Amino acid sequence: QSVLTQPPSVSGAPGQRVTISCTGSISNIGAHYDVHWYQQLPATAPKLLIYGNNNRPSGVPDRFSGSKSGTSASLAITGLQAEDEADYYCQSYDNSLSGWVFGGGTKLTVL
Amino acid sequence: QITLKESGPTLVKPTQTLALTCTFSGFSLTTTGVGVGWIRQPPGKALEWLALVFWDDDKRYSSSLMSRVTITKDTSRKQVVLTMTNMDPVDTATYYCAHTSRYCRGGNCASPFDYWGQGTLVTVSS
Repeated sequence: QSVLTQPPSVSGAPGQRVTISCTGSISNIGAHYDVHWYQQLPATAPKLLIYGNNNRPSGVPDRFSGSKSGTSASLAITGLQAEDEADYYCQSYDNSLSGWVFGGGTKLTVL
Repeated sequence: QITLKESGPTLVKPTQTLALTCTFSGFSLTTTGVGVGWIRQPPGKALEWLALVFWDDDKRYSSSLMSRVTITKDTSRKQVVLTMTNMDPVDTATYYCAHTSRYCRGGNCASPFDYWGQGTLVTVSS
């Protein structure tokens, strides 16, 4: 079981908006550690999508946005496109484990 | 541009020691804040962080694997090596190395993995 909890799957039609949640605890997200999000397309390495809760690296479309509140964080994708179909992972730091932790991943299906 | 590439055996036997090398370019591991980490992903499963070494030789390990994992850096050769002892079939996974640049704010620091290698699949089987 992952330290950060994500829904196993979400889906949406092209053009729609979807959100993916990432639930942590007082030793990671709730301890004010930043949350980062990664996109993993099939058979490829993960790619940094959002860093520092709500910042996009250069080249990431503004359809992707992140937020954080309390012990949880969320990734929102607007204007869903077929190419967004991928696995998404959240990541933070946990001070009780003294290490970096990932969520269990969420598979996004574009209907 | 920043690139990383993993290399090492694709097949190891149970109880053997795995050694993986990450060869990188486009950055220096002597630059303040820079680090290289290892992350693995069993087939069909989630990402798992293993180890991380920073520019100042600060080394961090996953608490669940600390007794089996060692990370070292060779800044002149631009390589980071991960060794994992006593390999088991459950360690079968794609192993990735990744670059990070640490930043600090609000009293906490963060190290997002912003550049990744392509990964190397390691199978543990007799």
